[in-house]
Amino acid sequence: GESVGLHLPTLSVQEGDNSIINCAYSNSASDYFIWYKQESGKGPQFIIDIRSNMDKRQGQRVTVLLNKTVKHLSLQIAATQPGDSAVYFCAENMPGNQFYFGTGTSLTVIP
Amino acid sequence: NAGVTQTPKFRILKIGQSMTLQCAQDMNHNYMYWYRQDPGMGLKLIYYSVGAGITDKGEVPNGYNVSRSTTEDFPLRLELAAPSQTSVYFCASSYSSLDNEQFFGPGTRLTVL
Repeated sequence: GESVGLHLPTLSVQEGDNSIINCAYSNSASDYFIWYKQESGKGPQFIIDIRSNMDKRQGQRVTVLLNKTVKHLSLQIAATQPGDSAVYFCAENMPGNQFYFGTGTSLTVIP
Repeated sequence: NAGVTQTPKFRILKIGQSMTLQCAQDMNHNYMYWYRQDPGMGLKLIYYSVGAGITDKGEVPNGYNVSRSTTEDFPLRLELAAPSQTSVYFCASSYSSLDNEQFFGPGTRLTVL
């Protein structure tokens, strides 16, 4: 299967700062991507998604950027809050196929 | 809606024992999935189902079995537990296809000693 990798396994940010979490994917045929948030002891929770016909998508305090040229995905969290502390996964999908999940980045927000 | 529910939350098994992990969803989703999550690793797909009576293998199906007799339920069976099956198991569901957003349950932490 395809592997989805993250550049940094851990990230610490000050409360109120912006956070950027990166993800590299290897299959150029992937056309749908999701970012999930996983809090300790809980299942992954959908944050935001993006399809390959877009470069950027914004949600509430979150933005996902997709660079298909270098097969890179990023999640930006604005004004990071303590409640944002969690592990963040990216997942990629090719049409008709299963999702492949990255290993995750652990985000710690320092009050 | 309760969403996706899983039982039990925790379980310790001895090598060779068997058990069934339960999963149910009340969102009328057609697709359901079982994943395992090992420490420091991404989710790996064990089995999935596209509807009642239909199941398919994922990336890591060995040592597991599933059934899908109803739309709501998708139990995962371990017949002969092995230490390599120590993991956290997540069930998920999606509405219509493999490339739809998936909704996850809270997980079952299984330890095989």
